[in-house]
Amino acid sequence: DTEVTQTPKHLVMGMTNKKSLKCEQHMGHRAMYWYKQKAKKPPELMFVYSYEKLSINESVPSRFSPECPNSSLLNLHLHALQPEDSALYLCASSQGQGGTQYFGPGTRLLVL
Amino acid sequence: SQELEQSPQSLIVQEGKNLTINCTSSKTLYGLYWYKQKYGEGLIFLMMLQKGGEEKSHEKITAKLDEKKQQSSLHITASQPSHAGIYLCGASTTSGSARQLTFGSGTQLTVLP
Repeated sequence: DTEVTQTPKHLVMGMTNKKSLKCEQHMGHRAMYWYKQKAKKPPELMFVYSYEKLSINESVPSRFSPECPNSSLLNLHLHALQPEDSALYLCASSQGQGGTQYFGPGTRLLVL
Repeated sequence: SQELEQSPQSLIVQEGKNLTINCTSSKTLYGLYWYKQKYGEGLIFLMMLQKGGEEKSHEKITAKLDEKKQQSSLHITASQPSHAGIYLCGASTTSGSARQLTFGSGTQLTVLP
């Protein structure tokens, strides 16, 4: 089983809203990732968690706040986003950091 | 930083035709991944190559890593409409003490029935 699930599938939010994206995997992976993908561009790494600790933060604005409550769950809390933050947000997990990454289906976010 | 260049950017082929997508790195590759993505969806892992000269196949897709470990190719034999999508190569890179994946710009494949 190489399934990573993400909810919601679609999200529309205003610039003053607070929302959260959720990612879950039950493969026993210890590394989890958040990527942002704009149309016709490759995914760009935002955050990496390894053993539930943040190991990489690719200079992401503070309006994006990641959280890893346990080894199976990864959240991305969103607050005061800008229209340019509209994108596909992808979650991935791997056995360890540097291992093959398995991706979820993504959350398509639209900020109005 | 590692840069990956994919070619072609887009490809339209007739069903049944063979095709090749290339991925060239500015630095030695220590782990090269191929993924497929349908528009607006997640990435599906296809294959991973590590050793120079390595070749892997799955169904009608074959991926190779050259001996110098700076170029990889993805070859599809007898293409089908189900092969359509965006193909991305990704290189395993190191940022400080952390490992991460850097992607090429992708190749959009259309297969005409």
